[in-house]
Amino acid sequence: GQNIDQPTEMTATEGAIVQINCTYQTSGFNGLFWYQQHAGEAPTFLSYNVLDGLEEKGRFSSFLSRSKGYSYLLLKELQMKDSASYLCAASDSNYQLIWGAGTKLIIKP
Amino acid sequence: GAVVSQHPSRVICKSGTSVKIECRSLDFQATTMFWYRQFPKQSLMLMATSNEGSKATYEQGVEKDKFLINHASLTLSTLTVTSAHPEDSSFYICSAMVGNTEAFFGQGTRLTVV
Repeated sequence: GQNIDQPTEMTATEGAIVQINCTYQTSGFNGLFWYQQHAGEAPTFLSYNVLDGLEEKGRFSSFLSRSKGYSYLLLKELQMKDSASYLCAASDSNYQLIWGAGTKLIIKP
Repeated sequence: GAVVSQHPSRVICKSGTSVKIECRSLDFQATTMFWYRQFPKQSLMLMATSNEGSKATYEQGVEKDKFLINHASLTLSTLTVTSAHPEDSSFYICSAMVGNTEAFFGQGTRLTVV
């Protein structure tokens, strides 16, 4: 079956770095998405990876290893506003998004 | 980026009535839109895929007669929750793909059935 795994909750300190991991198993693969979702709001797009390697975008970076079925989202210089849920989603052979349950990130001062 | 507008953002309705939620792509044409439901502290659950000019494709367990989807144009899809009940209270979100590499979401609609 198709499955996405990511940790349920993580805690980090303001100004620090945090890495949120995601492993996936899908029928075919057409890319890995990361989204940020604040409570009560719709998700917003953060990144898309389809090739192996690291994609850097400001304070956020996303990494993909297709052979390992693994991705991570790296957040640097954490700010209080980064407190949110981070959703990992893999695109399968039909370009349908398979969603993880989300990782709730708590930032402490 | 592309903009998807969803309306209303909040709605309260009485049990037994119907509620329509609109999802519009403002600056691009969306041949396919997706409707999700999200319960508190849970991930997005795909309800159906809405295809312009044809019938929607519903996920297993989603009642197509209860959740009516109409994709009348390349920029508008609607979800109608018919004969709403309190258990239908949830956060409903639409999204549209731009190519196959990015999904943009509407603002979401919080439905409360009393």
